[in-house]
Amino acid sequence: DAKTTQPTSMDCAEGRAANLPCNHSTISGNEYVYWYRQIHSQGPQYIIHGLKNNETNEMASLIITEDRKSSTLILPHATLRDTAVYYCIVSHDFGTNAGKSTFGDGTTLTVKP
Amino acid sequence: DGGITQSPKYLFRKEGQNVTLSCEQNLNHDAMYWYRQDPGQGLRLIYYSQIVNDFQKGDIAEGYSVSREKKESFPLTVTSAQKNPTAFYLCASSATKQETQYFGPGTRLLVL
Repeated sequence: DAKTTQPTSMDCAEGRAANLPCNHSTISGNEYVYWYRQIHSQGPQYIIHGLKNNETNEMASLIITEDRKSSTLILPHATLRDTAVYYCIVSHDFGTNAGKSTFGDGTTLTVKP
Repeated sequence: DGGITQSPKYLFRKEGQNVTLSCEQNLNHDAMYWYRQDPGQGLRLIYYSQIVNDFQKGDIAEGYSVSREKKESFPLTVTSAQKNPTAFYLCASSATKQETQYFGPGTRLLVL
């Protein structure tokens, strides 16, 4: 499975959009881009995933570049409760991730008042 | 409510003792997983199971054992052979191993 690169940390003002980037330049054609977030001492929460097209749900939007080598997670109106570690993962088969650190260190997003 | 439950939330282990962490799901998912998370780090896969009575080792399976006798249950035993067991343990499930994973709330294991 492809590796991902994310910034270590980002800040965002409350009420503004939070744009979290992820690079996955070695992504394969059958690999999906997944985003999860983890609030301190809780289990990761699924946010959104996509293959080629941009996706939107009630939590966020996912923008995938045409060459699929990078993506951006957008939280349209960040609140203090969105402060968390955000993980970008590319995978087609979570079972074959055995032996790899699927969830890397992620991006710590801090939403400030 | 459908979901994944893990118990207990906190678990204390004495030196040389085996302990078992519970993971139950009522989502009718075939695949289940166990991850370990150390402070400030990402998740590492311990074991996963695609179907009942089948499971595969992850990268850090040494010192751990699992069973999958029922579809809804995937308990993890931390044996005395695991020399550094203090960590946050997360269980997840997915309909199949190609589909989205959903996580439980986690169990924090501490060694006395």
